[in-house]
Amino acid sequence: GNSVTQMEGPVTLSEEAFLTINCTYTATGYPSLFWYVQYPGEGLQLLLKATKADDKGSNKGFEATYRKETTSFHLEKGSVQVSDSAVYFCALTSYGKLTFGQGTILTVHP
Amino acid sequence: DTEVTQTPKHLVMGMTNKKSLKCEQHMGHRAMYWYKQKAKKPPELMFVYSYEKLSINESVPSRFSPECPNSSLLNLHLHALQPEDSALYLCASSQPGGNQPQHFGDGTRLSIL
Repeated sequence: GNSVTQMEGPVTLSEEAFLTINCTYTATGYPSLFWYVQYPGEGLQLLLKATKADDKGSNKGFEATYRKETTSFHLEKGSVQVSDSAVYFCALTSYGKLTFGQGTILTVHP
Repeated sequence: DTEVTQTPKHLVMGMTNKKSLKCEQHMGHRAMYWYKQKAKKPPELMFVYSYEKLSINESVPSRFSPECPNSSLLNLHLHALQPEDSALYLCASSQPGGNQPQHFGDGTRLSIL
């Protein structure tokens, strides 16, 4: 079956630090890959997506590249802000069903 | 602003009560989903509706009863819930089939006394 593995958190950074959250996946077929973000007390927001190998998704300074050879979709941001503090979920969809990673809690300090 | 709207935002109910959660989307999507999310965990799929027909039930107890009155609305009827059912209930929508992204509402936080 499909599965998504994220780096364990929590991750604590200072403002303007570089962020990487690792994500690897196992899937049959040709999945699409996503990063969702969940701010405290809210639902999940789609942060970025990639639908095929070598696609780069980007939004709000975050980027991730669909790497089929390493089955990875790592999330990066060059300079984090306090407002980026949230839980980040890597996910894939195959045949209409969404599979999530366990989530990574990010805390950014001023 | 989210394009998937859920009401109520918070709900407290006793184990003998009957209540309903509501979800509305105006994105023209024809697939809608219910998820349950416990603290510090990813969402777990409960039900999927595609073109207003139930297509997936992930072995959810019968005390949860979904309903899809039309392509924009999704309800979750609750009856005789247990304390372990306390959680955040999320609704999502997408275009059906393929690998389209799902768009989530802000959820209903449910507490069972």
